[in-house]
Amino acid sequence: DQQVKQNSPSLSVQEGRISILNCDYTNSMFDYFLWYKKYPAEGPTFLISISSIKDKNEDGRFTVFLNKSAKHLSLHIVPSQPGDSAVYFCAASINTGNQFYFGTGTSLTVIP
Amino acid sequence: DSGVTQTPKHLITATGQRVTLRCSPRSGDLSVYWYQQSLDQGLQFLIQYYNGEERAKGNILERFSAQQFPDLHSELNLSSLELGDSALYFCASSLTSGSGDTQYFGPGTRLTVL
Repeated sequence: DQQVKQNSPSLSVQEGRISILNCDYTNSMFDYFLWYKKYPAEGPTFLISISSIKDKNEDGRFTVFLNKSAKHLSLHIVPSQPGDSAVYFCAASINTGNQFYFGTGTSLTVIP
Repeated sequence: DSGVTQTPKHLITATGQRVTLRCSPRSGDLSVYWYQQSLDQGLQFLIQYYNGEERAKGNILERFSAQQFPDLHSELNLSSLELGDSALYFCASSLTSGSGDTQYFGPGTRLTVL
């Protein structure tokens, strides 16, 4: 049972434009969300997180938006750069637990 | 470099065999997590240890077991291997056991069962 879903396996964006990666979840108990970035032959790297008490968190070119009513979060990358080409995973957890639930990932390609 | 090391990088073995994957967490981190990533799948949480004790269990098969040693390194043991166990196995570590802690991932061990 996939509680965190990334329905777009891949996304291509021109350099300089905005990349929007989407993630949906089913468990309303999730209250902490993260995005990880993964390059080939490497482990995932933490990118940005958001607590359910917020609806937006920004870190440089990366912004995560959380819509609790829709059980949806998105990652915006502006402007997109070729070095952003990677697989992006969203993950969610319940603060009282220790288990993270990951989506299946979206492969982003930024075209120079 | 996340500071988390995993050995070996690649492992090729046959069905029915037993293997051990090793993970050394970042210096100072007390929690170790194990994940499995099969083809076209997200990372599936297997198990977490905190300071030597099992803290949380996910979708870990009975054929699989893990432990965390006093020096905080961890081992994941996979036995009676099946073709479907072929996957990338990631280890991650975090400072404490709270879900608010960032997990730092190792580069993974690619297991191929023939």
